[in-house]
Amino acid sequence: GQNIDQPTEMTATEGAIVQINCTYQTSGFNGLFWYQQHAGEAPTFLSYNVLDGLEEKGRFSSFLSRSKGYSYLLLKELQMKDSASYLCAANNFNKFYFGSGTKLNVKP
Amino acid sequence: DAGVIQSPRHEVTEMGQEVTLRCKPISGHDYLFWYRQTMMRGLELLIYFNNNVPIDDSGMPEDRFSAKMPNASFSTLKIQPSEPRDSAVYFCASSLAGVNTEAFFGQGTRLTVV
Repeated sequence: GQNIDQPTEMTATEGAIVQINCTYQTSGFNGLFWYQQHAGEAPTFLSYNVLDGLEEKGRFSSFLSRSKGYSYLLLKELQMKDSASYLCAANNFNKFYFGSGTKLNVKP
Repeated sequence: DAGVIQSPRHEVTEMGQEVTLRCKPISGHDYLFWYRQTMMRGLELLIYFNNNVPIDDSGMPEDRFSAKMPNASFSTLKIQPSEPRDSAVYFCASSLAGVNTEAFFGQGTRLTVV
């Protein structure tokens, strides 16, 4: 079976740093993906991790620990436009299993 | 490429009616996925195809749901008969082959069954 957990909602202040955690248990695993989804829109790809460690892409970084079944997405220098849901997805041989998403509210 | 294209964007139908959702994947992509998103259950994988062949339909909730991919550029998801609990946003996504290639999503079809 597949089990992917994320916090339901988080609030952070503009300009701050926020970390969104994701834990997963899957029958097979090839990588961990992060997607951003604004209300009423489609999910869009942010980053992925295959190996343990940190991947940095501008203001966004993602970390993976395969042994712990754990990942996080780090957003720096938060902007109002970062208010969205963030979905983690475990990839199992081209199948993506998504968590329920973390709704991030960025306040001024 | 215009991305993954879904139609219609919105569909309102009466319980018991047949509903057909359509998807055009990105040209050259080998995989096509159908997802359903609700507040309660999040984004659920319903079925996926590889080179037009259905590989795993274990997420299809009931026999009322069926999906086809007659060629590399077109897929349909059909619900017959529809029920109010089928109300959700249905997303189609496609990806290239390869263990770690991202999926690209269409804009979704918001289905309301009354």
